[in-house]
Amino acid sequence: EAGVTQFPSHSVIEKGQTVTLRCDPISGHDNLYWYRRVMGKEIKFLLHFVKESKQDESGMPNNRFLAERTGGTYSTLKVQPAELEDSGVYFCASREGISNEKLFFGSGTQLSVL
Amino acid sequence: QKEVEQDPGPLSVPEGAIVSLNCTYSNSAFQYFMWYRQYSRKGPELLMYTYSSGNKEDGRFTAQVDKSSKYISLFIRDSQPSDSATYLCAMNRDDKIIFGKGTRLHILP
Repeated sequence: EAGVTQFPSHSVIEKGQTVTLRCDPISGHDNLYWYRRVMGKEIKFLLHFVKESKQDESGMPNNRFLAERTGGTYSTLKVQPAELEDSGVYFCASREGISNEKLFFGSGTQLSVL
Repeated sequence: QKEVEQDPGPLSVPEGAIVSLNCTYSNSAFQYFMWYRQYSRKGPELLMYTYSSGNKEDGRFTAQVDKSSKYISLFIRDSQPSDSATYLCAMNRDDKIIFGKGTRLHILP
């Protein structure tokens, strides 16, 4: 069974540009999460989808970040325009049902904004 | 005060030693306590999971939770070079996971 896949694995862009990260969760997993780790800090929650609906987006830093999950399958996270402080590793995770089930993480996208 | 505190290390121990990793937390509302392992350039992988005070054992790994002291531990027995990784404690609140910073562990052959 395929795990959570993220694309690209690395992205280097200039300040002011736009970047779109993609996450393909495990098939059948209704719950999809985005997390981010900036250098020297903890992995922090960004948002949570249940199917195509945003269940909780309290961790989104500001309105330069837009997450979508059309059709309840894959998800995208767009940063527009990117700023230097957006650099970090963006993780996607998914799980099937209730909150105490195992959360599966992707390998992350390393974003560098220069 | 951070909700979860974890010493980032690095921690280096010889192969075969017992490793003790620890976290403290401040929020009594946490319900589930987890340890994740993360290898370089990979995502975190769940190692251990518990929701009550006490010990839970899985092979060479033991997770310990003391809710009265707000303290959790992970013990690794007979440590192996393949255990070298970053270990993150994590807790569940409102259906989101709160992570510690992670401790980098090196097992020296």
